[in-house]
Amino acid sequence: QKEVEQDPGPLSVPEGAIVSLNCTYSNSAFQYFMWYRQYSRKGPELLMYTYSSGNKEDGRFTAQVDKSSKYISLFIRDSQPSDSATYLCATSRPGNTPLVFGKGTRLSVIA
Amino acid sequence: DARVTQTPRHKVTEMGQEVTMRCQPILGHNTVFWYRQTMMQGLELLAYFRNRAPLDDSGMPKDRFSAEMPDATLATLKIQPSEPRDSAVYFCASGHDSYGYTFGSGTRLTVV
Repeated sequence: QKEVEQDPGPLSVPEGAIVSLNCTYSNSAFQYFMWYRQYSRKGPELLMYTYSSGNKEDGRFTAQVDKSSKYISLFIRDSQPSDSATYLCATSRPGNTPLVFGKGTRLSVIA
Repeated sequence: DARVTQTPRHKVTEMGQEVTMRCQPILGHNTVFWYRQTMMQGLELLAYFRNRAPLDDSGMPKDRFSAEMPDATLATLKIQPSEPRDSAVYFCASGHDSYGYTFGSGTRLTVV
């Protein structure tokens, strides 16, 4: 079992839809949680990060962490064609340690 | 915007040749990571450094891969000899705290 599991999709939604992306992780030692967005032939870029359980909102994006169930979510409201990318969840232990990534979910937002 | 710079962007080489990939981390970042990305495995950690000291290279095939950080502005990843199964995108990332790291644009390696 991989430490971080993520459904690879692909996921296709119409413009304006609410998108829900999810990951599960297995190690309770993970304390930091991140979402990266990766456009085709580009490097991953940090979208959101959070340390604790609960929600964090940034514009149309909401990251949610439930440490009790080891579940990580990213919600995108009013999705746009420019949101079409691969979304990678990542987590790490404390202390500036390496990120462990899910495999990524490919999202297409259709105009 | 500060960014991580990787060279070359693309590399096509023949099996058995040496490949060197370079990374310039963001100034002030004390931790540097090398990741490899494939369709099958996703992003996998190869090695990482803190304050230029290697901390973990257990993700690398030791007989053919080597990673070094000769100074704070340069990290290198070498493959010798290269094999077709090494074909992947290699990313360098740097950071200074636990709140996410900045990735470079990657080196797309094809070994034929």
